[in-house]
Amino acid sequence: DTGVSQNPRHKITKRGQNVTFRCDPISEHNRLYWYRQTLGQGPEFLTYFQNEAQLEKSRLLSDRFSAERPKGSFSTLEIQRTEQGDSAMYLCASSAGDWFGAFFGQGTRLTVV
Amino acid sequence: QQQVKQSPQSLIVQKGGISIINCAYENTAFDYFPWYQQFPGKGPALLIAIRPDVSEKKEGRFTISFNKSAKQFSLHIMDSQPGDSATYFCAAQNTGNQFYFGTGTSLTVIP
Repeated sequence: DTGVSQNPRHKITKRGQNVTFRCDPISEHNRLYWYRQTLGQGPEFLTYFQNEAQLEKSRLLSDRFSAERPKGSFSTLEIQRTEQGDSAMYLCASSAGDWFGAFFGQGTRLTVV
Repeated sequence: QQQVKQSPQSLIVQKGGISIINCAYENTAFDYFPWYQQFPGKGPALLIAIRPDVSEKKEGRFTISFNKSAKQFSLHIMDSQPGDSATYFCAAQNTGNQFYFGTGTSLTVIP
């Protein structure tokens, strides 16, 4: 499978716990995006990498969220001290560059109980 | 502030009919406009995209119409099929930056 891969697919966690999600982009895609989507809404931007550099981060993103992309390959998104409002689908997408579009993974469904 | 406004929120079309979804934007710096199709429990899938230097792009049954002066673009699905029933999102990007998504249109194609 040469698409964007996200793990885990589902995660249930207790409020206050930390969680980490992984995204493996399409090989040789230098751009990687994280989005969050809640039911009935469009994807909401979280952050964006070009290679290993984090170029843009949503102002809506609290300090509890952090993302990394070591060596410009896979990326991780960590949420510390999870809250019930963090429950959502977390989507990762990768792109080969301008005007190539972004290709999304299947997402990680987070439920905070 | 919603950067891309999408309508209608939901749409019901008879099999074989034409489905039309509209989007509007304000930021004239946007220069790439993709459409995505999403099925329940799945990630959005890139369907078709257009750049503002053309007014129309067609791929199979899917056509994007683009009106740069009006800052509007639309998706037309010809000969709509039940398998097209999904949520559709328009998006806009200022290249090199994030994608801004519309709020989505839930399409139901009735057999």
